[in-house]
Amino acid sequence: EADIYQTPRYLVIGTGKKITLECSQTMGHDKMYWYQQDPGMELHLIHYSYGVNSTEKGDLSSESTVSRIRTEHFPLTLESARPSHTSQYLCASSRTGFTEAFFGQGTRLTVV
Amino acid sequence: RKEVEQDPGPFNVPEGATVAFNCTYSNSASQSFFWYRQDCRKEPKLLMSVYSSGNEDGRFTAQLNRASQYISLLIRDSKLSDSATYLCVVNMEGSGGGADGLTFGKGTHLIIQP
Repeated sequence: EADIYQTPRYLVIGTGKKITLECSQTMGHDKMYWYQQDPGMELHLIHYSYGVNSTEKGDLSSESTVSRIRTEHFPLTLESARPSHTSQYLCASSRTGFTEAFFGQGTRLTVV
Repeated sequence: RKEVEQDPGPFNVPEGATVAFNCTYSNSASQSFFWYRQDCRKEPKLLMSVYSSGNEDGRFTAQLNRASQYISLLIRDSKLSDSATYLCVVNMEGSGGGADGLTFGKGTHLIIQP
């Protein structure tokens, strides 16, 4: 089992609220990722990080922001949630190099 | 052209049959290849890495064809529990293609029928 954890698993929140989705891994991986996935649809990369103090935007434009202050922690923040942000958010990590990624169990976000 | 392409299916296959699907990739500098399995509303999980020499894990066999730029997954004696979406993943880190390195296909949906 991969040692990567996301909290909360499920979140229902009102429009305009600020939320932070947590992601932590205990594998010492340098690279971390955030993906967004709607039911039955493909994964879309929204943010990634190569290490501490490194953050980059992914292929899909997102209103969320991320930070990487510690190797093990890669939180994602939405300053003002909207119904269009309703989706599943998946965090992943990998070692540097041509290696596989390990996923957390995801956060299913619903904005009402 | 998409960097990683898969037939989305669905592939409807009777239990016990053999099923195979391919994935093509566009970047010839791709360095590593993986198959992931994703169950409905769950996270993707690594099924197997794909090596140049091909590899087998029980009923699952993965092959890489660099000349034609595709990887394949073969499932023998399929079980009901094999029903899932299978994601092809290509790592192009260091090749200049895709800053994130890992590129996921859209997935192939497999349904094993009793």
